[in-house]
Amino acid sequence: DADVTQTPRNRITKTGKRIMLECSQTKGHDRMYWYRQDPGLGLRLIYYSFDVKDINKGEISDGYSVSRQAQAKFSLSLESAIPNQTALYFCATSDSWGGLEQYFGPGTRLTVT
Amino acid sequence: LAKTTQPISMDSYEGQEVNITCSHNNIATNDYITWYQQFPSQGPRFIIQGYKTKVTNEVASLFIPADRKSSTLSLPRVSLSDTAVYYCLGTTGGFKTIFGAGTRLFVKA
Repeated sequence: DADVTQTPRNRITKTGKRIMLECSQTKGHDRMYWYRQDPGLGLRLIYYSFDVKDINKGEISDGYSVSRQAQAKFSLSLESAIPNQTALYFCATSDSWGGLEQYFGPGTRLTVT
Repeated sequence: LAKTTQPISMDSYEGQEVNITCSHNNIATNDYITWYQQFPSQGPRFIIQGYKTKVTNEVASLFIPADRKSSTLSLPRVSLSDTAVYYCLGTTGGFKTIFGAGTRLFVKA
């Protein structure tokens, strides 16, 4: 089984809808991250969490919110989806020692029409 | 966090050694240099990490000169399956990471 899983893998939604992307990990890591990737570009950090009670904004947090339900679960919500949030979303984890190597999930492809 | 600059793309042939250089002029004293590989529609995968001098693992080598303002990822004898995007990052434990656009390596037969 994969160490970092994301659900759904693909999602099409309409403008204005609320949508939640979920991430689970079995690596036992404290730190979790959400990134988005647009075609031909690198990853941009949306939010990151160092533990259940520590959540921080990344580069591009506007229009997004997160919830760290447990050490193993980190959800990303789009409160009111808009077309320019169409992207590939990745969840990642790292351990608390250094946190230098991140383990990525398979990604969620989100399309907002 | 260190801002990194890499070539946008590179071409190579199977069996050749590929060197991808990354510039990071404002790297901080406690930053490590980390390289990731990403295939289309997949999440990035850690390749190698170093602080200074040379690091080698089963996949690649990483050369970091004494001034640490640049680093070079070396991939020995590439194959078609090494076609991917390679990201160079300055990373500090406990802080957020920034991925640039990366280098698209295309390996030809």
